Amino acid sequence: QSALTQPASVSGSPGQSITISCTGTSNDIGDSSYVAWYQQHPGKPPKLIIYEYTKRPSGVSNRFSGFKSGNTASLTISGLQADDEADYYCCSFAVNVRVVFGGGTKLTVL
Amino acid sequence: QVELVQSGPEVKKPGASVKVSCKASGYTFNNYAVNWVRQAPGQGLEWMGRIRVYNGNTKSTQRLQGRVTMTTDTSTSTVYMELRDLTSDDTAVYYCARARGIIGESFDYWGQGTLVTVSP
Repeated sequence: QSALTQPASVSGSPGQSITISCTGTSNDIGDSSYVAWYQQHPGKPPKLIIYEYTKRPSGVSNRFSGFKSGNTASLTISGLQADDEADYYCCSFAVNVRVVFGGGTKLTVL
Repeated sequence: QVELVQSGPEVKKPGASVKVSCKASGYTFNNYAVNWVRQAPGQGLEWMGRIRVYNGNTKSTQRLQGRVTMTTDTSTSTVYMELRDLTSDDTAVYYCARARGIIGESFDYWGQGTLVTVSP
């Protein structure tokens, strides 16, 4: 299956908000699949920051929020901080266990 | 606390097999599926497959079907992933990750990663 489409890079200044999009098809995101978002710092394993489109695991800042509309999911990070600089991946999960990651987005905090 | 500890780095020749282990602790091992995700150097994440620990049921991506085998050893709370017929394209960091909740639609705890290098 094809990867979900994410912008290669986004940037923002400290304190600003940014949004990362994740576009799929009617076979994944649009098919009521679950979407999660992961943050990955260099040399580290990914960290779950959003699951079931909009929910945050315990301990994840409420500056991270998720949204879905049609075939597109979005991650918004508000009040950007230096430590938010990382790679972000969306991931679609279909009930027949068809799992697809996005290509990843590199966030630069200016 | 939940922890997944993976085996160390491996260097393999093309055509060989590699078996990576992932030892779980801090939770009821049988209650959660474990997934395998890999990341080639400088590239994104690729889901490889998952195993339901309680019954051994596996599901893998079509791209790797026939080359990947996932197993468990409940006596040691360890999950194994074996990849056969290695090529240079299999050079990557391999991660195990616990599936969250009953559906397992996201991965809430990750191992530290195991670098597998395939080189002549």
